[in-house]
Amino acid sequence: EIVLTQSPTTTAASPGEKVTITCLASSSVNNMYWYQQKSGASPKLLIYSTSNLASGVPDRFSGSGSGTSYSLTINTMEAEDAATYYCQQWNNNPYTFGAGTKLELK
Amino acid sequence: VQLVESGGGLVQPGKSLKLSCSASGFTFSSYGMHWIRQAPGKGLDWVAYISSSSGTVYADAVKGRFTISRDNAKNTLYLQLNSLKSEDTAIYYCARSQRMDAWGQGASVTVSS
Repeated sequence: EIVLTQSPTTTAASPGEKVTITCLASSSVNNMYWYQQKSGASPKLLIYSTSNLASGVPDRFSGSGSGTSYSLTINTMEAEDAATYYCQQWNNNPYTFGAGTKLELK
Repeated sequence: VQLVESGGGLVQPGKSLKLSCSASGFTFSSYGMHWIRQAPGKGLDWVAYISSSSGTVYADAVKGRFTISRDNAKNTLYLQLNSLKSEDTAIYYCARSQRMDAWGQGASVTVSS
């Protein structure tokens, strides 16, 4: 099973600030997926196939990476971005998620 | 695209439950579907996947106890949960496609005596 390690576990950012969340895989994967979950809501796909924005996702979000190291970047933090973010891979069965990064508004 | 889960509830350890996920707004038969769960205050935990051709894969934690299935005529995804344990307590979400591009609102399952 591929283990995904996210960092940081928790972080806070001021409006306009740049935020980067990293996801390290225990073995190489072809692609990474990122999901956003706001409090009390269902998760929502943000980024697919490492760097592609899902439909309706603002372009302040971006994804990058390869092999075992991937990242999600929010270029300019907005209040509505406060949420928990999860990386996920399905390069190998089973599908696995990272433990999540909680992003708070400072 | 809409996914609506149902069938959750309180169940005793060792008992069974069947969850449903009703799909609308897309051609259900053309998509693979997942079940993902989230224990209270915890992260996301993938449970099972069924392809458009009904091939299935399961997480080790549920293999042999849970069964994913689909009825394309009814646009409905199912998850049969048998031999339930307290650690199966979670919100169960269905999600569309390999990339999980649409999620339902979740069905709550509580396993307790």
